[in-house]
Amino acid sequence: QVQPVQSGAEVKKPGASVRVSCKASGITFSDYYIHWVRQAPGQGLEWMGYIRPKSRGPYYAQKFQGRVTMTRDTSTSTVYMELSSLGYDDTAVYYCARDGYNLGRPYFDYWGQGTLVTVSS
Amino acid sequence: DIQMTQSPSSVSASVGDRVTITCRASQDISNWLAWYQQRPGKAPKLLIYAASNLQNGVPSRFSGGGSGTDFTLTISSLQPEDFATYRCQQANSPPYTFGQGTNVEIK
Repeated sequence: QVQPVQSGAEVKKPGASVRVSCKASGITFSDYYIHWVRQAPGQGLEWMGYIRPKSRGPYYAQKFQGRVTMTRDTSTSTVYMELSSLGYDDTAVYYCARDGYNLGRPYFDYWGQGTLVTVSS
Repeated sequence: DIQMTQSPSSVSASVGDRVTITCRASQDISNWLAWYQQRPGKAPKLLIYAASNLQNGVPSRFSGGGSGTDFTLTISSLQPEDFATYRCQQANSPPYTFGQGTNVEIK
């Protein structure tokens, strides 16, 4: 199946950090914006930010600024999202998603399978 | 932030029914709107982009319309595989926000 492949589920303690990876599989990443979206259990979708193509850096939602870091390794077509100072309300499935149209206005055509991050003491 | 409000939150329908879901933005977003389908435990799937453009591979029974603040997603003849949650997303300006979802259930 053509889909970005994300890293496995994580369990973290409050205050810890988590890093989730997202690797291109069957699709191209290098020329596209890659976004991160999360979904708390039984809840809606929340956009977190994106990383631009090549090495042009990230853009974060204000809610997560200071706590999130998005990077990409062009040699392995992998994107990373690290979230620090985890709280219980960060328990969610985290998705990477490709903006497939590069219009400057994102429409997400390919999504990773999701990574469940559980924050528990 | 732009708020996206969907209605109804849930709809019960039968196979073959026509279903229409609405999404309202809290401010003018032109046609910068997408619709997604999400099944339980799965990632969302893009159905419609730029309000009315059908994503490649999506059946033609799905259609989208609207501009400005009011948008619709219509399923012309509901199929068994269409029972899922549908969400709108504004692509006008960050943070890119989603509607709360409409659950299409079997009647």
